[in-house]
Amino acid sequence: QKEVEQNSGPLSVPEGAIASLNCTYSDRVSQSFFWYRQYSGKSPELIMSIYSNGDKEDGRFTAQLNKASQYVSLLIRDSQPSDSATYLCAGGTTSNYKLTFGKGTLLTVNP
Amino acid sequence: DTGVSQNPRHKITKRGQNVTFRCDPISEHNRLYWYRQTLGQGPEFLTYFQNEAQLEKSRLLSDRFSAERPKGSFSTLEIQRTEQGDSAMYLCASSFVPTNTGELFFGEGSRLTVL
Repeated sequence: QKEVEQNSGPLSVPEGAIASLNCTYSDRVSQSFFWYRQYSGKSPELIMSIYSNGDKEDGRFTAQLNKASQYVSLLIRDSQPSDSATYLCAGGTTSNYKLTFGKGTLLTVNP
Repeated sequence: DTGVSQNPRHKITKRGQNVTFRCDPISEHNRLYWYRQTLGQGPEFLTYFQNEAQLEKSRLLSDRFSAERPKGSFSTLEIQRTEQGDSAMYLCASSFVPTNTGELFFGEGSRLTVL
């Protein structure tokens, strides 16, 4: 298994719908997890971080972590066209704080 | 603006030439990372520094690549004898450890095109 794998997409949802993005990871990146958003031609920007099992909500975004299943997800509620971007899942360890990224999932929100 | 700054933003060069990229991290950050990203892929780790010490280099980083952070502030990434396969976006990121929680703050990147 690659260290961080994402559902390859692309994912297309209508405006106002819930977008669900998923990521699995290996034991080598098992401590801290991040979701970055990357607009075309731009650099990644952090939108969510999660460190313990369960859900973490921030506005329209909810990150979910299940360490037993080695699974992390991001839900975007009430999707907006401005959410259209590539979403990168990243995992890291507290031993070196180096992040390993997945390939990303391209999300398109259609008006 | 006190974010991560990278220069140049774009570089077009001919195969075999040397190129150098500069990164100025957020001023209080002690960690500096270099990543490379190609189209359709996530960022791939190249190397990182804590202060002036280079702590890890990826196997992706061939002998043609060298990175420095001489005074623990800005960093340079040099690619010698560039090849077409070096064409990519080179991303610099910084963070502060151990007090921060691991998130990286990225610069806008330096896009390299090797003809």
